[in-house]
Amino acid sequence: DVQLLESGGDLVQPGGSLRLSCAASEFTFQYYAMTWVRQAPGKGLEWVSSITDNGGSTYYADSVKGRFTISRDNSRNTLHLQMTSLRAEDSAVYFCARVIPDWSGYHSSWGRGTLVTVSS
Amino acid sequence: SFDLTQAPSVSVSPGQTASITCSGHNLGYKYVSWYQQKPGQSPVLVIYQNTRRPSGIPERFSGSNSGNTATLTITGTQAIDEADYYCQAWDAKTVFGGGTRVTVL
Repeated sequence: DVQLLESGGDLVQPGGSLRLSCAASEFTFQYYAMTWVRQAPGKGLEWVSSITDNGGSTYYADSVKGRFTISRDNSRNTLHLQMTSLRAEDSAVYFCARVIPDWSGYHSSWGRGTLVTVSS
Repeated sequence: SFDLTQAPSVSVSPGQTASITCSGHNLGYKYVSWYQQKPGQSPVLVIYQNTRRPSGIPERFSGSNSGNTATLTITGTQAIDEADYYCQAWDAKTVFGGGTRVTVL
C-alpha cells in the first residue's frame, strides 16, 4: 500500500516560517505528481499547491502564492512545503497526496496530515 | 473563478439511497472525483473520473456527471457510510466542493 507520512507541523507565531515534509514509500515516487491540501478546523478541504513528477512545474492557490514554496527530492522520496509569512488563516491540518495521472488529476492516496497552528 | 457547490448536509435512512450533488459551470465536461472523510481521518478516494471506483471501495458507491451537476450515489446506505463527502474537479487549478455531511438516521 502507498504510504505518505507528513511531518513538520508546529505552533508558530504570525509572520513566522515552517517547513513541512512528506515521506513517501511503497510506490515509485518520481513517477507521480504530488499535492498539498489543507483543512482548517471544522472546515472543508482546500487545495494549496501541486508539483509535477520531475519537479519542473509548480502550482499554487492564490491564497498562498508568493509565501509558500513546494519542492521535492526524488532521490529521497520526499515532498516539502516551505511556508513563510504565516498568517492565522493558514492554521490547518496539511495533507500530502499523490495525484494521478498528473497534477490536474485525482488524489489517489493521502497521508494522515500534520497540524500547523499560527498564533501568538 | 470556478466553484463547486454542495449541499451542507444530507440525511438518509439505513438501506435507502443517498444522493450527493456537486454543481459547477459546465461540470459535465470535466472529470469529477469524490472523497469520503470520517472524523479525525484523512480523506479516502471513493470515485474518480466521474464513474470509476478504486479497488476496495464497495459497489454501493457510484458516480455520474452531466450538464452542470455531478452526483455521488450510495445505494443501500449503511451506518459506516456516515461521513463528509467532497467533490473535486480541475479548472486551471484543483477545486474542492464545500463538502456534504451524510447522516444515517
